[in-house]
Amino acid sequence: DGGITQSPKYLFRKEGQNVTLSCEQNLNHDAMYWYRQDPGQGLRLIYYSQIVNDFQKGDIAEGYSVSREKKESFPLTVTSAQKNPTAFYLCASSPRDRGRVTEAFFGQGTRLTVV
Amino acid sequence: AQTVTQSQPEMSVQEAETVTLSCTYDTSESDYYLFWYKQPPSRQMILVIRQEAYKQQNATENRFSVNFQKAAKSFSLKISDSQLGDAAMYFCAYRRARSDSGAGSYQLTFGKGTKLSVIP
Repeated sequence: DGGITQSPKYLFRKEGQNVTLSCEQNLNHDAMYWYRQDPGQGLRLIYYSQIVNDFQKGDIAEGYSVSREKKESFPLTVTSAQKNPTAFYLCASSPRDRGRVTEAFFGQGTRLTVV
Repeated sequence: AQTVTQSQPEMSVQEAETVTLSCTYDTSESDYYLFWYKQPPSRQMILVIRQEAYKQQNATENRFSVNFQKAAKSFSLKISDSQLGDAAMYFCAYRRARSDSGAGSYQLTFGKGTKLSVIP
């Protein structure tokens, strides 16, 4: 089945460590996105990418990095510079609009906890 | 910058009754799209309904319908015949009609969500 796979579902990180969240899609979508979800805050955009080897910062990019070496993959690294990384992270993808508006498709998320 | 406001952090409804969730937004664009997403306890984001701003007719999807008031920048979601499975967080989201970068990415701006409880 086509979809977006995020792994792992739960992730624990020690303070000062970098950690990478995986996001893979087999929907042949051009664009991919990372959102962060905190209680009472909705979803906020971290990074997005519209084509391979290109990506742009979203609203809260500080302390995060991404890469887009393959169309299918858009991993997110939470670096030690991110002061409050405990949150729920959602990856999404979307195709180009072709005559009708399309929605974003979401993965099932990764819950990151700093211990 | 666009903003989306959901003024009701929590709502409750009796099973089989109707409930309306509110959403307002601010934008200087004339062409855009609006969405309602549902996030059940599994935390999977599921599209409920979408509305294209250039269409005057309100979108409907089975028991879900919207009241889109473009001049007032209001986009409320009505759930009829509420079911236990409707219990979830509901997010209103805005998207520009054209890609921000011109190359095909369409960032969503989300409200903070409304937690809907359904009472048996």
